[in-house]
Amino acid sequence: TQLLEQSPQFLSIQEGENLTVYCNSSSVFSSLQWYRQEPGEGPVLLVTVVTGGEVKKLKRLTFQFGDARKDSSLHITAAQPGDTGLYLCAGAPPGTYKYIFGTGTRLKVLA
Amino acid sequence: DTEVTQTPKHLVMGMTNKKSLKCEQHMGHRAMYWYKQKAKKPPELMFVYSYEKLSINESVPSRFSPECPNSSLLNLHLHALQPEDSALYLCASSRADPGDEQYFGPGTRLTVT
Repeated sequence: TQLLEQSPQFLSIQEGENLTVYCNSSSVFSSLQWYRQEPGEGPVLLVTVVTGGEVKKLKRLTFQFGDARKDSSLHITAAQPGDTGLYLCAGAPPGTYKYIFGTGTRLKVLA
Repeated sequence: DTEVTQTPKHLVMGMTNKKSLKCEQHMGHRAMYWYKQKAKKPPELMFVYSYEKLSINESVPSRFSPECPNSSLLNLHLHALQPEDSALYLCASSRADPGDEQYFGPGTRLTVT
């Protein structure tokens, strides 16, 4: 069974701090997606990483895909209260639609 | 337009009721998905349709019955549900190929009484 482990599970930081969230697996993924979800809402797609070693930037968010395509990280610079939410990584094994989600990271940024 | 719509937003039903959840997308996507999400947990895959054919059923109880009438619509028919089926039900779509990024709807909050 493929798993995507995220760490940390919970993170509470002050506005302006930097943070990194990790998404790890022992299996290869064809791509990984990162989502942010607000309570009672559907996940919103932030980015897709496809190529091993790829780095993508979205304003203050930097996403990296591991060289072996088994892990990914999300780095937020100068966090703001608006970054508060549940961050989820997700992916499917190569050639399948069997998407799995990571265990999630709940981020709270205090003003 | 990257919008997936779901109706209703909220649904309360008794254990003997029959109801349906609806999902629609107009992005030309050919894969559509149903997920179930319990509180404080990540979404769990239930069903996948690819080109209007059921591709994956993750051992979901038969009281949940999916239907894909056409490439834009996805339904989930509910019958004789249990209180533990109360959850947020999410619909998603993706272009066509396995691994393509998914776009999610806002979800239906289902409460079974």
